[in-house]
Amino acid sequence: GAVVSQHPSRVICKSGTSVKIECRSLDFQATTMFWYRQFPKKSLMLMATSNEGSKATYEQGVEKDKFLINHASLTLSTLTVTSAHPEDSSFYICSASAGDSNQPQHFGDGTRLSIL
Amino acid sequence: RKEVEQDPGPFNVPEGATVAFNCTYSNSASQSFFWYRQDCRKEPKLLMSVYSSGNEDGRFTAQLNRASQYISLLIRDSKLSDSATYLCVVTGGGYNKLIFGAGTRLAVHP
Repeated sequence: GAVVSQHPSRVICKSGTSVKIECRSLDFQATTMFWYRQFPKKSLMLMATSNEGSKATYEQGVEKDKFLINHASLTLSTLTVTSAHPEDSSFYICSASAGDSNQPQHFGDGTRLSIL
Repeated sequence: RKEVEQDPGPFNVPEGATVAFNCTYSNSASQSFFWYRQDCRKEPKLLMSVYSSGNEDGRFTAQLNRASQYISLLIRDSKLSDSATYLCVVTGGGYNKLIFGAGTRLAVHP
């Protein structure tokens, strides 16, 4: 099956640090990538949708200047949490889709971010 | 009102039991419906898609009632390995956007 790799799987860092998370589709071209966040015992919440070569579309309430998304190629998208604070600690998961709405999303294995 | 609502559980059942989960969604324009499984501190994994005609995959049966905006998942002959959180997921908006319920936790005990 399709494979999506996410890196790193775990990050612990000090408040004020910027953290970059990578999401790679290993065996298909991901036209669209999605970034989700999940707090303990809560739903996965979509943060933003990115299409290769264009600006990401952010969900309501998600600060685009704080969560920078780059989708420069069909196999790589990055999420940078800028000046991270303890309240940004969460489980961040990406998913990738090959194209239209009939294509399934394949999830990366997530990044657990802890800001001290 | 949440877009996708599920009973959080937990459902504690013995091995071999039959257990059913329900889910309601608010957007009548949703086109695709899924059940995902999420193990503790892991990413969600697709369990099965859900169709209006109902569909079965081994011990798992999913049903969709569009008129009532209601989705169900039935697990027969529960195994210990079925212990997980089951996420009801619907599509909404453009770009294949998935909307997740908060999940129903299942614990199967010997």
